[in-house]
Amino acid sequence: GENVEQHPSTLSVQEGDSAVIKCTYSDSASNYFPWYKQELGKRPQLIIDIRSNVGEKKDQRIAVTLNKTAKHFSLHITETQPEDSAVYFCAASIIAGAGSYQLTFGKGTKLSVIP
Amino acid sequence: NAGVTQTPKFQVLKTGQSMTLQCAQDMNHNSMYWYRQDPGMGLRLIYYSASEGTTDKGEVPNGYNVSRLNKREFSLRLESAAPSQTSVYFCASRRSGQLKNIQYFGAGTRLSVL
Repeated sequence: GENVEQHPSTLSVQEGDSAVIKCTYSDSASNYFPWYKQELGKRPQLIIDIRSNVGEKKDQRIAVTLNKTAKHFSLHITETQPEDSAVYFCAASIIAGAGSYQLTFGKGTKLSVIP
Repeated sequence: NAGVTQTPKFQVLKTGQSMTLQCAQDMNHNSMYWYRQDPGMGLRLIYYSASEGTTDKGEVPNGYNVSRLNKREFSLRLESAAPSQTSVYFCASRRSGQLKNIQYFGAGTRLSVL
């Protein structure tokens, strides 16, 4: 089955700096890669996703890049703010026609933004 | 819309006791999922249901059973709780027909087994 590795497990940045979280996946058939943000005591929520036919996607201060050849993808957060402090999870999935799709999650990165 | 609703929010059990975690969604989603979250382990899939009437094992199904009662409800049962099942449990749902796998999570159930 799919295996997703996520690094680093913890990350501290100064407010205003950029943060980068990296993930690798093992199954070359995976073609959908979402990122979830989980604030302390809350539920995970999708913040951005990318499909394998796209190399980069941006939404305001967050962006995701995908390298299919190397089987890795990254989350980039620019101009970090204290409210960006949370645990971030990457995930991988295979989307192929109809069906129910499983998400395989990385183990998470705890991001702390220091004011 | 309430989204995905889980009950209870907190539960303490003694080893060997049984309980059922309830999950309901009002988004007319076909697929539903149960995960457990442990520190440093991310979210691990226990069971999922592609549609009403079907269930399948995920990564960590041992010690659990599920029931897809109808399209809205998907319950998780612990028949004989063990301390290793102390965890936060999340239910999620997904709308079929999209070329993505966007899952919407409930608020979670924090379970302690003593």
